[in-house]
Amino acid sequence: EIILTQSPPTVSLSPGERATLSCRATQPVGSSSLAWYQQRPGHAPRLLIYGASSRPTGIPDRFTGSGSGTDFTLTISRLEPEDFGVYYCQYHGWSSYTFGQGTKVEIK
Amino acid sequence: EVQLVESGGALIQPGGSLRLSCAASGLIVSQRDMTWVRQAPGKGLEWVSLIQSGGKIDYADSVKGRFTSARDYIRNTLYLQMNSLRDEDTAVYYCTSASPDSGWGQFYWGQGSLVTVSS
Repeated sequence: EIILTQSPPTVSLSPGERATLSCRATQPVGSSSLAWYQQRPGHAPRLLIYGASSRPTGIPDRFTGSGSGTDFTLTISRLEPEDFGVYYCQYHGWSSYTFGQGTKVEIK
Repeated sequence: EVQLVESGGALIQPGGSLRLSCAASGLIVSQRDMTWVRQAPGKGLEWVSLIQSGGKIDYADSVKGRFTSARDYIRNTLYLQMNSLRDEDTAVYYCTSASPDSGWGQFYWGQGSLVTVSS
């Protein structure tokens, strides 16, 4: 069973700053199998990145996904007020989907 | 426009049963891999079940043997039958689906349905 560990648990930043979020898998995973989601309080999650680095239609280009093997990163180049929330990585295996425990991005 | 609308959440006693529904519009549930994801109060996301377009169904270990996913082709609806409910099943339950241009990333999410298991 592959486990995803996200770090840091919480990061405090100001609008305009850069955020770097990490997701580490216990075994190598295919890049096509890694996604990132954003969840704002009181809302359903939103898909930000799929296939480790691809953005769905409508996702701003300040969100960038990268990485391979066991180490993946979500970078938010310049934080906007609406970017504060919790971010999750997710792995798609042959017969399961696994989430990391989340990283909270809070306003400093 | 794609919409996923969950319903059926309720307050239920431990050991009880409940069925959640996810009515889909703008997509055909039998043609997509669809999942159930839950979120306990103040906690993170937990994958619950995957029903693939080809019919294969998988479950998280935490619900295996108690929960059953199914789909209704005529009603274009996904169901989650939950039996032998426990306190730790208390959560908001979301149904999800990918879009044609999001790989297997879950692009579409319902608004969620709250299940509270308590005596």
